[in-house]
Amino acid sequence: GAVVSQHPSRVICKSGTSVKIECRSLDFQATTMFWYRQFPKQSLMLMATSNEGSKATYEQGVEKDKFLINHASLTLSTLTVTSAHPEDSSFYICSARGGAHNQPQHFGDGTRLSIL
Amino acid sequence: KQEVTQIPAALSVPEGENLVLNCSFTDSAIYNLQWFRQDPGKGLTSLLLIQSSQREQTSGRLNASLDKSSGRSTLYIAASQPGDSATYLCAVTRSNDYKLSFGAGTTVTVRA
Repeated sequence: GAVVSQHPSRVICKSGTSVKIECRSLDFQATTMFWYRQFPKQSLMLMATSNEGSKATYEQGVEKDKFLINHASLTLSTLTVTSAHPEDSSFYICSARGGAHNQPQHFGDGTRLSIL
Repeated sequence: KQEVTQIPAALSVPEGENLVLNCSFTDSAIYNLQWFRQDPGKGLTSLLLIQSSQREQTSGRLNASLDKSSGRSTLYIAASQPGDSATYLCAVTRSNDYKLSFGAGTTVTVRA
C-alpha cells in the first residue's frame, strides 16, 4: 500500500517552455503533498507544501510564480515549472501524506527535468 | 534551523563486509528519523523509521540506532552485497512542523 506515482519520469524541453509534473497517490487519500528538488550529490530541498483545496505554502527562496502548485483533489497534485530555463534543470520529487501531521511521507519516483 | 550531515559522502567496500553509515543532526527536537535508499535517477525507498522515543530499529540485515540527545544515528548493513550499492539518505522529521530535513546522503558501492 501507500503508492505514489509521479509522471513524467523524464522531460527534455527547450528554454521558455512550461512543464507540468503530476503526483498521484494511488491507494490512499493524500491530505498533504510535498514537492522537493534535488541537485546532483545534494540533499533533497523542500520547495513547497500543498494541502488539498488550499494554496500551497512555499519555502523561503522558492518563487511561487515560477513553480505553480495545484492540489485540486485528495489524490493529485501538480507542479508546473513556468518559462523554464537551464538553471531549472534538476530532479523533482513529490511525496504524499495521508491523515495526521505525524504520518510518514510516501515518495514518488521523481522527474528528471532537463532544459536545453 | 535543522541541519543534517552524513559522513562519509561515499564508501566502497568488498562484498561481505559490514557497512556503517553515520548521520548527525543539530536540533534534537525531532519527531522521528528515517533512513532511505535512493537508486540512481530514482525516488526514495524507506528502509527504517525510528521514533524519537526509540533507540533502534531492525529489518533483516539492516539495523539503525538513534541517540537523540547527541544528535546521531547510525545505519548498519550486515554482510553487504552488490545489490546494496545505492545512495542512503537520512532524514529527520522536525517536531514543530513535521517537515523532513534531509542529509546529502552516503553513496555506497559494494564490489563483487
